[in-house]
Amino acid sequence: EPEVTQTPSHQVTQMGQEVILRCVPISNHLYFYWYRQILGQKVEFLVSFYNNEISEKSEIFDDQFSVERPDGSNFTLKIRSTKLEDSAMYFCASSEHLGGTGANVLTFGAGSRLTVL
Amino acid sequence: GQQLNQSPQSMFIQEGEDVSMNCTSSSIFNTWLWYKQDPGEGPVLLIALYKAGELTSNGRLTAQFGITRKDSFLNISASIPSDVGIYFCAGQYFGNEKLTFGTGTRLTIIP
Repeated sequence: EPEVTQTPSHQVTQMGQEVILRCVPISNHLYFYWYRQILGQKVEFLVSFYNNEISEKSEIFDDQFSVERPDGSNFTLKIRSTKLEDSAMYFCASSEHLGGTGANVLTFGAGSRLTVL
Repeated sequence: GQQLNQSPQSMFIQEGEDVSMNCTSSSIFNTWLWYKQDPGEGPVLLIALYKAGELTSNGRLTAQFGITRKDSFLNISASIPSDVGIYFCAGQYFGNEKLTFGTGTRLTIIP
């Protein structure tokens, strides 16, 4: 079964450092997402990406964050200057269609755990 | 923003028992989804509901899309050890990509 793969599985970084989290979405999917889950809390939407641009972002996704699809397969989340409160599990997801059409299903990766010291 | 509240927050049950959990929203959604998350893993889709009133089953799991479009429930029959995990509901609007997740229900099976 096709899956979304994420690397690294765990990254430890010092506050203020830049971090890049990488994702390989399912190959025929057109919509890409990043979600975040702080330990013990719910999964929160960060950003969605379609046709090489951000289609929606949450208030969490401030100027410290950026996303990129540098080639035909990777989708990256960059945090420019990490803060302690950025420590969380970051999930990449992809889907074939827009929501609510009956065919849209988001498939999530296993996540990248970011620990900021 | 939209709030999705799940209840109960946690459940401790014995193997073989049936489980029921629900999710309520402050606003309507066009699609309701139920995901399960195992420790250290991403959410995995269990059931998707696309129409108000819809009742859908997936093996021992049954979920319903509330008629008001503001709630949904998930039932698990005859629980087994691999049912342990956190169950999240999620809502989605037509033409919108993002999911709004609920607060989660943690299921623990007591030996």
